[in-house]
Amino acid sequence: GAVVSQHPSWVICKSGTSVKIECRSLDFQATTMFWYRQFPKQSLMLMATSNEGSKATYEQGVEKDKFLINHASLTLSTLTVTSAHPEDSSFYICSATRGADRTDTQYFGPGTRLTVL
Amino acid sequence: DQQVKQNSPSLSVQEGRISILNCDYTNSMFDYFLWYKKYPAEGPTFLISISSIKDKNEDGRFTVFLNKSAKHLSLHIVPSQPGDSAVYFCAASSRIQGAQKLVFGQGTRLTINP
Repeated sequence: GAVVSQHPSWVICKSGTSVKIECRSLDFQATTMFWYRQFPKQSLMLMATSNEGSKATYEQGVEKDKFLINHASLTLSTLTVTSAHPEDSSFYICSATRGADRTDTQYFGPGTRLTVL
Repeated sequence: DQQVKQNSPSLSVQEGRISILNCDYTNSMFDYFLWYKKYPAEGPTFLISISSIKDKNEDGRFTVFLNKSAKHLSLHIVPSQPGDSAVYFCAASSRIQGAQKLVFGQGTRLTINP
């Protein structure tokens, strides 16, 4: 149990276009979903936290107009990178928890590698 | 400002021996710590956690030790197996940081040699 999927697993796009990444909890309802970004040989950096039906909470320094997060249901959250630029190229990983307690395990998706040309 | 640091980017251990992965943190408000394991092209998977009220937590071959005064935690794997080869991340959270926010270290790549 506790499987999280992401789609696509990798994407290449032209500069200026928008890219949507989906995160799904396959066998449980996710109270909260998280979006992380990882640069090569660096740690996972939390971008935003989202709860179903409410606006995402963005971390300091993350542009909410550039990284649009929609959490439409208890099993689906989407991250849209708008007007992507080469510096947005990164590995994006989502995670989800069953509960709202901070000791609830975060289950991670396999990640999406975005390359912006 | 790297609040959680894993200073060893890589570690190589002989199969059957003990693997010790280290993690240091700077924020004294952290009170819950976790270790995650990550294989290539997969998301991190939860291994073991420890609350700051404890100094040790054990689960099978995995033991996490917490030294609050030194702001240091370590993950011991014994005996090490080839399947343990992966990147290991430590992570920390605090009530003040927010409900479920995790701060991750940079990761340590563990290689178990047969």
